[in-house]
Amino acid sequence: DIQMTQSPSTLSASVGDRVTITCRASQSISSWLAWYQQKPGKAPNLLIYKASSLESGVPSRFSGSGSGTEFTLTISSLQPDDFATYYCQQYNSYGWTFGQGTKVEIK
Amino acid sequence: QVQLVQSGAEVKKPGATVQVSCKASGYSFTGYYIHWVRQAPGQGLEWMGWINPNSGGTNFAQKFQGRVTMTRDTSISTAYMELRSLRSDDTAVYYCARDYGYGDHSLPYWGQGTLVTVSS
Repeated sequence: DIQMTQSPSTLSASVGDRVTITCRASQSISSWLAWYQQKPGKAPNLLIYKASSLESGVPSRFSGSGSGTEFTLTISSLQPDDFATYYCQQYNSYGWTFGQGTKVEIK
Repeated sequence: QVQLVQSGAEVKKPGATVQVSCKASGYSFTGYYIHWVRQAPGQGLEWMGWINPNSGGTNFAQKFQGRVTMTRDTSISTAYMELRSLRSDDTAVYYCARDYGYGDHSLPYWGQGTLVTVSS
């Protein structure tokens, strides 16, 4: 299976900060990568699909980039509602896998 | 609107079998894959597999091969996930999710989750 490694595992930031989360794949996944936001007790919420496509209804402060093995999720100006855990997921090949998650905490 | 409604919480003993259902509405059930993802308490997301509701074809994560079955009943737009030989580390919230379709398997629609507790 393809392994997905996210960094950092935890991130402390303030409202208004620019935040970047990285996801690395153990082999090339082209652009078949999604980003999700999850809040405690809730199902994940799709933010970005196909590496850089913004899901309908998701604020434009979220953006995704990358291809191959290296991907980033950027929040241009962190808002109070953005404190949550973020996961990347590859769906290039059978055996879809998630990264281990990045928790974004209030500084 | 697309909705996925899952069955209620379950408590099972080690070695037992659990079946979780996922009733879809608001779209053509046979047009989109249904995936199953689980999350152990305080842990990350773990993809288990998918079912193609049109053909019944399935694909499972290697970890669950031989222990999981995914089926569907197209007459009632419902997908099922059955996990056998339950262990304590199968305690988790189990989610069904519908993929984007058109060859994109990201997951924009999720059920509310079903807590499965395995305890003697």
